[in-house]
Amino acid sequence: SQTIHQWPATLVQPVGSPLSLECTVEGTSNPNLYWYRQAAGRGLQLLFYSVGIGQISSEVPQNLSASRPQDRQFILSSKKLLLSDSGFYLCAWRDRANDEQYFGPGTRLTVT
Amino acid sequence: SQQGEEDPQALSIQEGENATMNCSYKTSINNLQWYRQNSGRGLVHLILIRSNEREKHSGRLRVTLDTSKKSSSLLITASRAADTASYFCATSYTGTASKLTFGTGTRLQVTL
Repeated sequence: SQTIHQWPATLVQPVGSPLSLECTVEGTSNPNLYWYRQAAGRGLQLLFYSVGIGQISSEVPQNLSASRPQDRQFILSSKKLLLSDSGFYLCAWRDRANDEQYFGPGTRLTVT
Repeated sequence: SQQGEEDPQALSIQEGENATMNCSYKTSINNLQWYRQNSGRGLVHLILIRSNEREKHSGRLRVTLDTSKKSSSLLITASRAADTASYFCATSYTGTASKLTFGTGTRLQVTL
């Protein structure tokens, strides 16, 4: 069966520091991968998606970037965090067989 | 921007009662998915309904889709305290790499 991992689970970082969040998927190959952010009490906003290694599409201009160095690895990064980057970051993968998207456990980021 | 809007924003019922949540969207979709999120946790996939389907069932869940009204509803029958969570609808469009656009969510509280 397929599983999706994210780490770290929680992170507290000062303004101006770099960021690297990692997402890996097991049990599938060549999945579509997605990064979403959820602000407190809100729905999810799509940040980036990838249909293959090295292929990244950005949905909103922002202080973040994404990379896909391996088929089942998706990384969210920032060179200098802003206070507004605080939130709950969720990675997801799409099952091509039925179009369903499954989410990881998320990373709660607090920028201080 | 948010594509979907859930209604109501919050719902409080007693255990054993049915809970109905509604979702409206603005443009034609490929499919619509419902998710549950417990406080501070990742999203759990509940059910996917395609644009050519009108109703689907999964256990105590019943989802309907009315493409003419651009709306969907999620019915949870015989609710339990463990159903307490936020529920989100998410829509996907043809040819968009299956990106999901989320609604604002319904917060369901089931009391004993």
